[in-house]
Amino acid sequence: EIVLTQSPATLSLSPGERATLSCRASQSVSSYLAWYQQKPGQAPRLLIYDASNRATGIPARFSGSGSGTDFTLTISSLEPEDFAVYYCQQRSNFGPGTKVDIK
Amino acid sequence: QVQLVQSGAEVKKPGASVKVSCKASGYTFTSYGISWVRQAPGQGLEWMGWISAYNGNTNYAQKLQGRVTMTTDTSTSTAYMELRSLRSDDTAVYYCARDPSYSSSWYLFDYWGQGTLVTVSS
Repeated sequence: EIVLTQSPATLSLSPGERATLSCRASQSVSSYLAWYQQKPGQAPRLLIYDASNRATGIPARFSGSGSGTDFTLTISSLEPEDFAVYYCQQRSNFGPGTKVDIK
Repeated sequence: QVQLVQSGAEVKKPGASVKVSCKASGYTFTSYGISWVRQAPGQGLEWMGWISAYNGNTNYAQKLQGRVTMTTDTSTSTAYMELRSLRSDDTAVYYCARDPSYSSSWYLFDYWGQGTLVTVSS
């Protein structure tokens, strides 16, 4: 089974700053990786699929990159509504999440 | 617009069963699959399984095999997830999510229900 690890566990930033989140797979997953955002009390929301494709309605400040075992989700300039937990996912496996909170 | 509306919160005793519903609207139900994902309090996401709304084919997570059954009712565009022999560690929010493929799971969850809290307690 493929294990996904995410770093850092928590990222403390200010609005307007750039956020860089990492996801590493225990073996190659090609480009089959997705990213989800989850706010407290809400369901997850699909942000990125196939490593770099934005889902419908997702703002351009969200971008994904990577292939093989190393992937990155970048938020170019944090908006107040972006403070949340972010999960990477590959097939039936989810990473443990990265919490982006306000510094 | 695509919507998945789930049934309300449940409280169950250990050993009991629970059945959660997920009513879809805004798209052709039988052209997609439905996956179920759960989240224990304060924890991460766990994929439980997938069902094709086209033909009822299923694919369950190995750890839940034998305890979970997923079904659909195409006449009402509703998916169901039943979990039996409940334990305290089944306490979680259960989500349904649309999967773009009806032939086999793409493990891509593009729209989600609001979640159903299932509490297992004696």
